[in-house]
Amino acid sequence: AQTVTQSQPEMSVQEAETVTLSCTYDTSENNYYLFWYKQPPSRQMILVIRQEAYKQQNATENRFSVNFQKAAKSFSLKISDSQLGDTAMYFCAFMTSTSGTYKYIFGTGTRLKVLA
Amino acid sequence: DGGITQSPKYLFRKEGQNVTLSCEQNLNHDAMYWYRQDPGQGLRLIYYSQIVNDFQKGDIAEGYSVSREKKESFPLTVTSAQKNPTAFYLCASSRRRLAVNTDTQYFGPGTRLTVL
Repeated sequence: AQTVTQSQPEMSVQEAETVTLSCTYDTSENNYYLFWYKQPPSRQMILVIRQEAYKQQNATENRFSVNFQKAAKSFSLKISDSQLGDTAMYFCAFMTSTSGTYKYIFGTGTRLKVLA
Repeated sequence: DGGITQSPKYLFRKEGQNVTLSCEQNLNHDAMYWYRQDPGQGLRLIYYSQIVNDFQKGDIAEGYSVSREKKESFPLTVTSAQKNPTAFYLCASSRRRLAVNTDTQYFGPGTRLTVL
């Protein structure tokens, strides 16, 4: 079975500092996609960053970057220059397609608090 | 603007009643999904639909039903058979076909259902 594990239920970081959220997954698939979603207090799920498994280069979106280690099945999110608006729940997600069926699996989330 | 809308934002239901949550998208996406989110847990898939007039059960389909008569709409009915329906419900959509940037799920703002 495919699983996604986020081992840090809660984290905090000082404003302007850098924080890394961890995510590991388990799959026997070779082609898949990985995502980080942010859920602020408004509860709207917002895509932060995505990574295709076939790409070796780590994805980057402004202050957000990932460290994708395919062999280790690890997909951590680094937030640089943390801002108060980054306070949110962060979910790691995995997507694969088997015989035309698309399946998304989410981790249990990491609650990040950015401190002023 | 393109997006996903869910209504209502808050919904109250008496025990024993069925209730329907609305989800509409104007993104021209093929696939739509319903997730349930409970405190301290990640998203759990209830039902998904890859194409009009077709849908499949997710991991926690018992006590729920869906229909997909139109591409834009994927309503979820929470029936009286659902033992613990109080939760936050999120609808999402994606373009289904695996191509650049079409695998990403986009989420609606959610509906908070409370059973009285």
